Amino acid sequence: AQSVAQPEDQVNVAEGNPLTVKCTYSVSGNPYLFWYVQYPNRGLQFLLKYITGDNLVKGSYGFEAEFNKSQTSFHLKKPSALVSDSALYFCAVRDHSASKIIFGSGTRLSIRP
Amino acid sequence: DGGITQSPKYLFRKEGQNVTLSCEQNLNHDAMYWYRQDPGQGLRLIYYSQIVNDFQKGDIAEGYSVSREKKESFPLTVTSAQKNPTAFYLCASSIMFSGSGSSYQETQYFGPGTRLLVL
Repeated sequence: AQSVAQPEDQVNVAEGNPLTVKCTYSVSGNPYLFWYVQYPNRGLQFLLKYITGDNLVKGSYGFEAEFNKSQTSFHLKKPSALVSDSALYFCAVRDHSASKIIFGSGTRLSIRP
Repeated sequence: DGGITQSPKYLFRKEGQNVTLSCEQNLNHDAMYWYRQDPGQGLRLIYYSQIVNDFQKGDIAEGYSVSREKKESFPLTVTSAQKNPTAFYLCASSIMFSGSGSSYQETQYFGPGTRLLVL
């Protein structure tokens, strides 16, 4: 069965510093991996996805994520955090044969000025 | 939030009442989904539909019902059997691909959500 874990409920970073939000997954076969962001009282916004190819995926708002097959991870990163990046971030996974996507429990990112 | 709309933004339910949440998309997506989000928790799948006039239960379907009479519409009814309906409800849609005897979805895109409160 497929699953996804976000080990940190909250991540706190100072503005201008690099940020990392962690995600690990478990699927049979090759994974399809996604990151979404949610601002208060809003729906989820798609940030980026990994299907195949280059392990470093670039997405919206300067975010990127690195696919690591040996560590079954897909961590979200940004070189320099902005206060406006403060939000709830969800990692999601689907294996190539599944008809559903499984979402992680979410990580709240807080960027202090 | 793209081409997916949800209404109303806030909905109040009285004891024993059924209420219906609307979800419409103009993206020509095949599949549509309903999720429930509780404070501090992730998304839980209620129902999904990959094609018109067909839908499947998700992980927490009890107390909910859906219909898919049109490709662009996937309304969710919260019935009186749902004893704890207070939550944020999110609708999503995606393209479906078919190949090798299986169908699978592409990226899901979400609506702005409906917050349901109990009076």
